Amino acid sequence: EAGVAQSPRYKIIEKRQSVAFWCNPISGHATLYWYQQILGQGPKLLIQFQNNGVVDDSQLPKDRFSAERLKGVDSTLKIQPAKLEDSAVYLCASSSGEYRGEEQYFGPGTRLTVT
Amino acid sequence: TQLLEQSPQFLSIQEGENLTVYCNSSSVFSSLQWYRQEPGEGPVLLVTVVTGGEVKKLKRLTFQFGDARKDSSLHITAAQPGDTGLYLCAGPKAAGNKLTFGGGTRVLVKP
Repeated sequence: EAGVAQSPRYKIIEKRQSVAFWCNPISGHATLYWYQQILGQGPKLLIQFQNNGVVDDSQLPKDRFSAERLKGVDSTLKIQPAKLEDSAVYLCASSSGEYRGEEQYFGPGTRLTVT
Repeated sequence: TQLLEQSPQFLSIQEGENLTVYCNSSSVFSSLQWYRQEPGEGPVLLVTVVTGGEVKKLKRLTFQFGDARKDSSLHITAAQPGDTGLYLCAGPKAAGNKLTFGGGTRVLVKP
């Protein structure tokens, strides 16, 4: 079974530029998550989708971050404009969405460096 | 403020030594998960503990959930270089399947 795919793996941009990340979850998984992991810290949830609807985006900086999950499968996360403090690894995860506390499967992440 | 506090933040030991990592909270969790994350990869689930006082073993790794379901520990016996990584505990928030993660413990096992 294929795992969660993310691209690109690495991205370097200058501040005030825009960037987009792509995620393809495990086939059949209804729930998709985007996390931000700053170096030396645990992942922080940015947004959670159930199918193509947003369940939680309370920690998403909506003035610069946006995310969508068209057709309830792939998802994109965009930052515009980027700030230095956005430098982090952006992790996508998916789960079946069947029960609380279930395992989440993570992709390898996209390492973003903002200079 | 993180709901889950992990300690220590960093641990460096020699191959063959034992180590314990702690995950503490002032909140009660219905379950706690332990993940290991290797450089350049996403976290991978090791175990989920559900019942207060529960002990689970995974080869040389022993996981314990506190009686009050507010804390958990991970003990590694005879650590090997392959155990090197970032160990994260995580628990579901009030509703849905949102996970809150601890800050992680970075473990380095030197040969």
